[in-house]
Amino acid sequence: GENVEQHPSTLSVQEGDSAVIKCTYSDSASNYFPWYKQELGKGPQLIIDIRSNVGEKKDQRIAVTLNKTAKHFSLHITETQPEDSAVYFCAAYNNNDMRFGAGTRLTVKP
Amino acid sequence: DGGITQSPKYLFRKEGQNVTLSCEQNLNHDAMYWYRQDPGQGLRLIYYSQIVNDFQKGDIAEGYSVSREKKESFPLTVTSAQKNPTAFYLCASSASDSPLHFGNGTRLTVT
Repeated sequence: GENVEQHPSTLSVQEGDSAVIKCTYSDSASNYFPWYKQELGKGPQLIIDIRSNVGEKKDQRIAVTLNKTAKHFSLHITETQPEDSAVYFCAAYNNNDMRFGAGTRLTVKP
Repeated sequence: DGGITQSPKYLFRKEGQNVTLSCEQNLNHDAMYWYRQDPGQGLRLIYYSQIVNDFQKGDIAEGYSVSREKKESFPLTVTSAQKNPTAFYLCASSASDSPLHFGNGTRLTVT
């Protein structure tokens, strides 16, 4: 089955800097890759996603890149703000099977 | 507002007792899921249901049971057979070929 690895597990940046979180997956048949943001005491919220026929997608300060050959995808947050502090999860989806990474705790220091 | 409602937010039980966690959605989604979240780990799938009156085991179904009698509802029962039930439980739903929408979770503490 699919295995998703996510790095780093914790990330601390200064406000205004960029943050990058990376994930790798094992099943080449996976075709959908969402990213979720989870704030304390809440459920994960979808922030951006990408499908396997696209290499990059951007939404304001957030972007995701996908390298199908290498089986890895990354989340990029530019101009980070304190409200970006949260736990971020990547996931890989194939055939009704969604697998999540272990999460990255991002702290943005003002 | 459309969404997923999990209740209660916090739940406390004594060891040996069964407990049922509620999950209701008004998004008209066919599929519903239950995940367990432990510190430092990703979300692990307990059970999922693609349609009313049908459900399948996920990766960690032992000690749990579910029912799907209505499209809107997918309750999870944590039985006394679950060896380590204290965790944060997340319910999610999705339409066909679309992302998961999560509820805000139930934190279960068993002592």
